[in-house]
Amino acid sequence: QVQLQESGPGLVKPSQTLSLTCTVSGGSIRSGGYYWSWIRQHPGKGLEWIGNIYYSGSTDYNPSLKSRVTISVDTSKNQLSLKLTSVTAADTAVYYCVRGDSDRGGLDYWGQGTLVTVSS
Amino acid sequence: QTVVTQEPSLTVSPGGTVTLTCASSTGAVTSGYYPNWFQQKPGQAPRALIYSTSNKHFWTPARFSGSLLGGKAALTLSGVQPEDEAEYYCLLYYGGTQLVFGTGTKVTVL
Repeated sequence: QVQLQESGPGLVKPSQTLSLTCTVSGGSIRSGGYYWSWIRQHPGKGLEWIGNIYYSGSTDYNPSLKSRVTISVDTSKNQLSLKLTSVTAADTAVYYCVRGDSDRGGLDYWGQGTLVTVSS
Repeated sequence: QTVVTQEPSLTVSPGGTVTLTCASSTGAVTSGYYPNWFQQKPGQAPRALIYSTSNKHFWTPARFSGSLLGGKAALTLSGVQPEDEAEYYCLLYYGGTQLVFGTGTKVTVL
């Protein structure tokens, strides 16, 4: 069974770059037919899609975050990463990595999430 | 900016049936939006329930079903159990490349 585990600093200073890693186990991150997403949830609020990276290596980002976001994969480590630059308190959230299934048209496996707080 | 709207809250009795809906600010929701549904309990990550309108994951209980209803995506819970009390989110795909989550529905079993 596929498992995803997010990791990274729980506290980031304003104006700095938020960097998170998602380690995938139970399957290859380069398996065809799948893509990988980052999704966040502000405290007590709903879910917000950040972006996707596809088997081809291409990406799609939420227009509201596009100028600050980079999603990439490290196939040698079977990891997915997220970088969000110039963070503010508004970026404080739980960040989830999620697997998407292109053939089925949906998201299936979610990581447990990691809370990132932006504060000086 | 695209907005996907759900009922803020719904209450259902144990054993009853409740239908949640998911509407798009751009117009009628069709199968081309690949509606997904997720359940989230407090302190937990969301769990996928339904993909592509009406398809269940192997872990999805039979009492959950997805459909299109009156230009919206819908999630119906039949024979509701106390453990179904949770927040439910829909997700729509726009152009296959942009994902937008719904505002969420809090379901109370009372």
